[in-house]
Amino acid sequence: GAVVSQHPSWVICKSGTSVKIECRSLDFQATTMFWYRQFPKQSLMLMATSNEGSKATYEQGVEKDKFLINHASLTLSTLTVTSAHPEDSSFYICSASLTGGGRGGYTFGSGTRLTVV
Amino acid sequence: RKEVEQDPGPFNVPEGATVAFNCTYSNSASQSFFWYRQDCRKEPKLLMSVYSSGNEDGRFTAQLNRASQYISLLIRDSKLSDSATYLCVVNGYNKLIFGAGTRLAVHP
Repeated sequence: GAVVSQHPSWVICKSGTSVKIECRSLDFQATTMFWYRQFPKQSLMLMATSNEGSKATYEQGVEKDKFLINHASLTLSTLTVTSAHPEDSSFYICSASLTGGGRGGYTFGSGTRLTVV
Repeated sequence: RKEVEQDPGPFNVPEGATVAFNCTYSNSASQSFFWYRQDCRKEPKLLMSVYSSGNEDGRFTAQLNRASQYISLLIRDSKLSDSATYLCVVNGYNKLIFGAGTRLAVHP
């Protein structure tokens, strides 16, 4: 159990366009999902915590107007990268936990590799 | 100081070797601890949780020392398939904090 599906797995877009990434919990309800970004040879950095039915909580330094998060249902959170620029090219990963992150840890989506040209 | 620190490696070891990874964390209020494995260009996958009493899963043993804020992972009898990046992860304030990872390369 605890499968998280992320789509698309990769996307190439032009500078200035917006890209939407979906994260779904397939067999459980996730009131909280997390969005991470990973640059090459670096660790995962938490961007924001997505809360169902309320505003997302963004980490320091992450622009909320650029990275729009919507968590409209208990099984779906979306991240939209608005007006994408080449420096936004990265690996974006979502995660959620069935058990609230205790001893069960977190399950990750398969990630989305974004390339902005 | 980083919240979670790991030796980046890489650790290059022959098959059958025993290898140990270390990790330290700065937030003494952290609540739970994990080792994740990440293969190149893939998402992290949970390897094991880490407890003060120690946790063993086959060839893998994880240990937590809360007093020293230190976490370890021991891999015995390394296999080629163990080659990956191992991420030390700490759960504090209900969010995961990742170390930068330690790369392991097991060679024949």
